[in-house]
Amino acid sequence: DAGVTQSPTHLIKTRGQQVTLRCSPKSGHDTVSWYQQALGQGPQFIFQYYEEEERQRGNFPDRFSGHQFPNYSSELNVNALLLGDSALYLCASSLVEGVSTEAFFGQGTRLTVV
Amino acid sequence: AQSVTQLDSQVPVFEEAPVELRCNYSSSVSVYLFWYVQYPNQGLQLLLKYLSGSTLVESINGFEAEFNKSQTSFHLRKPSVHISDTAEYFCAVSPSTGNQFYFGTGTSLTVIP
Repeated sequence: DAGVTQSPTHLIKTRGQQVTLRCSPKSGHDTVSWYQQALGQGPQFIFQYYEEEERQRGNFPDRFSGHQFPNYSSELNVNALLLGDSALYLCASSLVEGVSTEAFFGQGTRLTVV
Repeated sequence: AQSVTQLDSQVPVFEEAPVELRCNYSSSVSVYLFWYVQYPNQGLQLLLKYLSGSTLVESINGFEAEFNKSQTSFHLRKPSVHISDTAEYFCAVSPSTGNQFYFGTGTSLTVIP
């Protein structure tokens, strides 16, 4: 079992550009959540996808959008990048029944906006 | 709304000494409690969790945490630390009806030889 895999591992983008990050959930999991972890901070919830729909959303602007595919993999898109978007982006997969089934996190994508 | 406070941003401790990493939370609803560990340049790994039952929970590598409802705390302890325990530790809560985590700002544990 490969666990949660994220790609790419590192990415450098220029302010104003758009970026797409990808996540494949752990085998058997159907729910994907995205978190932003700024340097020296704890992860902050961006949104969660289940059955190809956004189910919950944190306090992030509309520049942050996502998608979930029929195979449960997911993408995070960020438009009009700002310097403040530089962070480690973590994907977590779980089962929709709830947190009694622990969430598994990927290694993250380190995004640097210059 | 939920929030998590980790009172110590950095904790240096000598090898084989005991350690306690403090975590307090605030929530208007029932929550589950978690500790995650993050090694450099890696994602988060679950260390232990409290869902219900015994308020003392243990991990396989010697850590334990005790849920204290009256003090809204979930402090992490280890009686004797090893060099390999050097990492960032995050306390998190999740509403018992949801599947989303709220994390603290983390505590950097450094074990000194």
